[in-house]
Amino acid sequence: GQQVMQIPQYQHVQEGEDFTTYCNSSTTLSNIQWYKQRPGGHPVFLIQLVKSGEVKKQKRLTFQFGEAKKNSSLHITATQTTDVGTYFCAGPRGGYQKVTFGTGTKLQVIP
Amino acid sequence: DTEVTQTPKHLVMGMTNKKSLKCEQHMGHRAMYWYKQKAKKPPELMFVYSYEKLSINESVPSRFSPECPNSSLLNLHLHALQPEDSALYLCASSQEGEPWETQYFGPGTRLLVL
Repeated sequence: GQQVMQIPQYQHVQEGEDFTTYCNSSTTLSNIQWYKQRPGGHPVFLIQLVKSGEVKKQKRLTFQFGEAKKNSSLHITATQTTDVGTYFCAGPRGGYQKVTFGTGTKLQVIP
Repeated sequence: DTEVTQTPKHLVMGMTNKKSLKCEQHMGHRAMYWYKQKAKKPPELMFVYSYEKLSINESVPSRFSPECPNSSLLNLHLHALQPEDSALYLCASSQEGEPWETQYFGPGTRLLVL
């Protein structure tokens, strides 16, 4: 079945350093979404990418969808303590209504 | 209002108990979901309701019984659970249930089965 892996599993960075998480799917995706889950919280939608090679920015966050639509990345510039949490990518699975979440990358920012 | 509410926030139950989790949204969404999330793992889809009808059951054991009384409410009835069922149970909703739609998650119910 479809697998969506993320690397790294954990990342500790000093505040102000950059951070990148990578998402890799075993199958081609029609679209990919990114969610953030704060410690003790619930997933919150960040963004959706649809087109091959698409790049979207949200302030310090840059999201990219691979040309083959099988991978994606999230890059955070100059991390802040508010960036702490687990970042999940998510893609459609099998068709209608099913979404598979990636394994997640837990980010810890050291002040 | 983009809020999905869930009650209770925490629940402790024995293996012989019957309890229910509740979820509510007032965004006019027609698709509602139950996910199970174990510690340090991603959410795993359990059920999907579309227009108040069960459209997806991800081979969930029958000790979990979903119910959708109306388009705003979603329940998850629990009976004879096992300790390994302890997890965060998340409810989510989306406009129509298409995989490109944003899913709005509730805060979850943290369940402990003793």
